[in-house]
Amino acid sequence: QVQLVQSGAEVKKTGASVKISCKASGHTFTSYYTHWVRQAPGQGLEWVGLISPGGDRSSYAQKFQGRLTMSRDTSTATVYMELRSLRSEDTAVYFCATDLFGYGDLTSWGQGTLVTVSS
Amino acid sequence: QTVVTQEPSLTVSPGGTVTLTCASSTGAVTSNNYPNWFQQKPGQAPRALIYSTSKKHSWTPARFSGSLLGGKAALTLSGVQPEDEADYYCLVSYGGGTYVFGTGTTVTVL
Repeated sequence: QVQLVQSGAEVKKTGASVKISCKASGHTFTSYYTHWVRQAPGQGLEWVGLISPGGDRSSYAQKFQGRLTMSRDTSTATVYMELRSLRSEDTAVYFCATDLFGYGDLTSWGQGTLVTVSS
Repeated sequence: QTVVTQEPSLTVSPGGTVTLTCASSTGAVTSNNYPNWFQQKPGQAPRALIYSTSKKHSWTPARFSGSLLGGKAALTLSGVQPEDEADYYCLVSYGGGTYVFGTGTTVTVL
C-alpha cells in the first residue's frame, strides 16, 4: 500500500487561499488516482475531488468548481490541493486518499490536515 | 445536487446482525455505481471495508459483507463485536469521475 503524509495544519482568513500537500511513498505513486475528502468538525465525510494518476485530468465536486485546483508533481510523488476564496464553512480536516482503479476504493489515507478559516 | 442517504444511527447487541443501507436521490444504486463502504473511528482516518459492492479487502473481517438490496447498497455486520462500534460511510460513483459520500451511520454496540 501507499503511505501518505500530508502537510501541517493551516489557519487562514476568510477570502484567503490554502494549498495542502500529500506526499506518497511505498508504491508507484503514478499508478493511483488521488482523491481529496474533507470532514467538518463533528460532521460526515464529503468528497472534494480527484486527480488522475498522470495528473492530466481532475474532477471536482460541483460545489467547489471555480475555486479548487488539484495538481501533481510526479518527481516528488506529491499531490496538491489548493482551495481559494475560503469561507468559514471550509473549516475541516482534509484527507488525501489513493484509489488504484478509479472506482472509489480509497485504500490508503493521509493523516489529515486541519484547515481553520476565520475572520 | 445528488444526495446519498444512510440511516443516521443503528444500535445492535453484541453477536447480533445489523444492515446499513445507502440510497441515492438519483435512483437505484447498482453495481455500475461501484459502491464502497468505509469505517471511521473517532480521531482516525476512514478505513476501506468493501469495494465494488461486495468485494472485501484482505483486512476486512469476514463478518462484514456488502450487497445490493432493493435499489440500495447495503453493508451487513453479522456477529457484531464491540470494536465494530464506529461511523460507517458509503461512497457512490456517478461516472465522469464524480463521487458522493453517504450521510453516514453511527453504529452503537449495546
